[in-house]
Amino acid sequence: EIVLTQSPGTLSLSPGERATLSCRASQSVSSNNLAWYQQKPGQAPRLLIYGASRRATGIPDRFSGSGSGTDFTLTISRLEPEDFAVYYCQQYGNLSAFGQGTKVEIK
Amino acid sequence: EVQLVESGGGLVQPGRSLRLSCTTSGYTIADYGLSWVRRAPGKGLEWVSFIRSKGYGGTEEYAASVKGRFTISRDDSRGIAYLQMNSLKTEDTAMYYCARGTEYHVHWGQGTLLIVSS
Repeated sequence: EIVLTQSPGTLSLSPGERATLSCRASQSVSSNNLAWYQQKPGQAPRLLIYGASRRATGIPDRFSGSGSGTDFTLTISRLEPEDFAVYYCQQYGNLSAFGQGTKVEIK
Repeated sequence: EVQLVESGGGLVQPGRSLRLSCTTSGYTIADYGLSWVRRAPGKGLEWVSFIRSKGYGGTEEYAASVKGRFTISRDDSRGIAYLQMNSLKTEDTAMYYCARGTEYHVHWGQGTLLIVSS
């Protein structure tokens, strides 16, 4: 079973700032089968990134994913007001598992 | 338009059973696997189970926390997937989402709420 650990738990930033979210796996994620999701209250998760670095359809280019093996990063280059939400990583190379989430809140 | 709609949630006592349904439309369910993911109050997302398409064997997988208690199934002729939940525990209280596929998920339902409480 692969365990994903996200950090930090909460990120307090202002609109326009850069957000860097980390996701660390307990063992290597095969074929970089890692995705990132955004979830807002009362809504279903929204896929942002798959394959560690591929943006899903319709996702703005301020969202980018990087990393390989056990260390992955989601970067939001300039936070827009609608980006304040909870973000999850998911590995799907060995069954499936989600990280515990990072909340990006307005400072 | 691809749509997934969950139903069947509610309030149930510990130890009892309940079946959730995921009704799909806008695509051929037989061509895709289907997953269940839950979010407990104040917690993060947790993968629960998935079932592969018949083309990939139609086999099922479960998270350790539900294995032996939950059973996923599918009725491709009706476009519906199910999650049979037995021996429910208070820690199963969560919003349950179905999502298309067994890898990453573009399409999700809006969720159905299960509360396990006496």
